[in-house]
Amino acid sequence: DIQMTQSPSSLSASVGDRVTITCQASQDISNYLNWYQQKPGKAPKLLIYDASNLETGVPSRFSGSGSGTDFTFTISSLQPEDIATYYCQQYDNLPPGDTFGQGTKLEIK
Amino acid sequence: EVQLVQSGAEVKKPGESLKISCKGSGYSFTSYWIGWVRQMPGKGLEWMGIIYPGDSDTRYSPSFQGQVTISADKSISTAYLQWSSLKASDTAMYYCVRRNSGYDYNKLDYWGQGTLVTVSS
Repeated sequence: DIQMTQSPSSLSASVGDRVTITCQASQDISNYLNWYQQKPGKAPKLLIYDASNLETGVPSRFSGSGSGTDFTFTISSLQPEDIATYYCQQYDNLPPGDTFGQGTKLEIK
Repeated sequence: EVQLVQSGAEVKKPGESLKISCKGSGYSFTSYWIGWVRQMPGKGLEWMGIIYPGDSDTRYSPSFQGQVTISADKSISTAYLQWSSLKASDTAMYYCVRRNSGYDYNKLDYWGQGTLVTVSS
C-alpha cells in the first residue's frame, strides 16, 4: 500500500504569510495527488487536483507543485478565512486505491 | 447544480444494524463513482470504498473490507453504506463523495454534508 506522509501536522502563521505544506509518497505516484481544505464542522473541499491544477472557483493564492514522491501545497498570502485543516490525497487510476495524508491544521498566529 | 444529500444523524447501540444514504442530483448518477470517507472524532480522513452505480462495481479499502457494505440503487440515484453489527469504534462522521474521473485526472469534486453516526450503549 502507498503511504502518504504529510508535514507539518500543525502550523501557525500570520495573515499575509506564505504557507507551505508538504506531502511525500512512499513510492512514485506521478502527479496523482489532490489537495483538500476542511473547515471546522464542514465537509472537505477540493482545491488542487493532479498536483498543480487549480479547481474552478478556488482563489489563485492556492497552488500546488511536485511529481513522483514529493509534493508541495502553498498559500501565497494567508487570509483569515484560510484557517482549516488541509489534506493531500493520492489516487490510483482504478479505485479504491486512494489514501489521504494525516492532515495539517493551520492556525492564525 | 450537483448535490449529494446524506441522511440524518443516527444514534445506535452496539450490535445494531444501520444503513445510511447519499442521494445524488444535478448530474448523471450512473456515470460517476461514489465513494465513502470516514472521519473519526478529531481525526483525519479515511478512504473506505467506492461504487460505480452504473453497474454496481464495488471496491473496498482493505481496512474496511468485510466491515461495511456499499451499495447503490440507480433508480433513485442513491448510494448506501451499511453495517450489520455496529461497534463503538464505528462512531464517526461519514461522508459520501463523487469521484470525477477523466483521461488524466481523478478528483473528489463534490461531497455530501456528512452523516454523524454515534454508537453507544
